[in-house]
Amino acid sequence: IAGITQAPTSQILAAGRRMTLRCTQDMRHNAMYWYRQDLGLGLRLIHYSNTAGTTGKGEVPDGYSVSRANTDDFPLTLASAVPSQTSVYFCASSPGANTEAFFGQGTRLTVV
Amino acid sequence: GQNIDQPTEMTATEGAIVQINCTYQTSGFNGLFWYQQHAGEAPTFLSYNVLDGLEEKGRFSSFLSRSKGYSYLLLKELQMKDSASYLCAVMDSNYQLIWGAGTKLIIKP
Repeated sequence: IAGITQAPTSQILAAGRRMTLRCTQDMRHNAMYWYRQDLGLGLRLIHYSNTAGTTGKGEVPDGYSVSRANTDDFPLTLASAVPSQTSVYFCASSPGANTEAFFGQGTRLTVV
Repeated sequence: GQNIDQPTEMTATEGAIVQINCTYQTSGFNGLFWYQQHAGEAPTFLSYNVLDGLEEKGRFSSFLSRSKGYSYLLLKELQMKDSASYLCAVMDSNYQLIWGAGTKLIIKP
């Protein structure tokens, strides 16, 4: 089934640990995004990639890094997790800049 | 700064009509999106408006007025499965989506 897949679906992580959230899409979309969603706030963009080989910073990039080695994969890394990074993380992709985005099922991350 | 405002929560009755409003102030405008998000699930696309006017898609319609910085999502013949959060998002001049916090819609029998 075509779509966008995130792993893991949930994780409890000790503060200070390094963690990579995985995201893979098979729709050959150029653009990919990482968002975090917190209660009472809108989705906030962490990092994005308009095409393979390029990445950019979103609204809340501090403490996170990404890479886009190929079209399909867009992993998000927390170098040293802190409790404020407890959130639901969504990966999304879209064919182009101003088109509909397709979301993964989300990763619920708790940093303790 | 950039801002998207929508009501936090609304309640409506099954079979009725509900209008969810969204006002925005952004640096540039390249379209407005509405998404539906059921609890614990991912957002899914509902509609896209870039020109003024009404876009109708089945039971759902979306309206845009760029001069007023205003949009609404109209849901007709409400069903229990329409209980969800509805997210308004505006694409700014850099083609980045700015998201509202979402409106939680509660449908009562």
